[in-house]
Amino acid sequence: AQKVTQAQTEISVVEKEDVTLDCVYETRDTTYYLFWYKQPPSGELVFLIRRNSFDEQNEISGRYSWNFQKSTSSFNFTITASQVVDSAVYFCALSAGRGQGAQKLVFGQGTRLTINP
Amino acid sequence: NAGVTQTPKFRVLKTGQSMTLLCAQDMNHEYMYWYRQDPGMGLRLIHYSVGEGTTAKGEVPDGYNVSRLKKQNFLLGLESAAPSQTSVYFCASRGRTEAFFGQGTRLTVV
Repeated sequence: AQKVTQAQTEISVVEKEDVTLDCVYETRDTTYYLFWYKQPPSGELVFLIRRNSFDEQNEISGRYSWNFQKSTSSFNFTITASQVVDSAVYFCALSAGRGQGAQKLVFGQGTRLTINP
Repeated sequence: NAGVTQTPKFRVLKTGQSMTLLCAQDMNHEYMYWYRQDPGMGLRLIHYSVGEGTTAKGEVPDGYNVSRLKKQNFLLGLESAAPSQTSVYFCASRGRTEAFFGQGTRLTVV
């Protein structure tokens, strides 16, 4: 079975602070993909990153960085020097296995991030 | 380039009524999904499809049916709507990379 847990329901920080959103996943498959999506107040879902299980390199994109650790089954997301525009709900997602099972895409409960000016 | 289009965007139903939500994608993707989003519950998978003519149950399939008669379309049906089905519904399609989402349908069952 596939499962994604985002234990932080809501986070509130002051602008320019760094913030980390946690994501823990469960799967018995050795082949899987992890994703992060952003849902701003307007409601659409915006893709941020995809990582496969064979690539544990961390990734940095501007103020965003992702830390993938298979040893702890975690795929955490850090925003450096947060801005008000980063306020959104962030979702972590997992697609695991091969064949038909690999195309089942499950999401965590989401973390609502509020950046205060 | 429309991507993923959901219709309708809003709908109010009375308990017991039926309706169909349409999802259309123009990216020739094999995989399509229907999710519902409720406060504090994240995105929960209702049904999904790995190709034309195939469907599979997700995490919360009860009360819903789906069909994928054409590759570009994925229909979600509610045969007898219940207040518990009040939610925002999202459709997504996926090829070999990330999933692309529609704008969402806000459904209220009274």
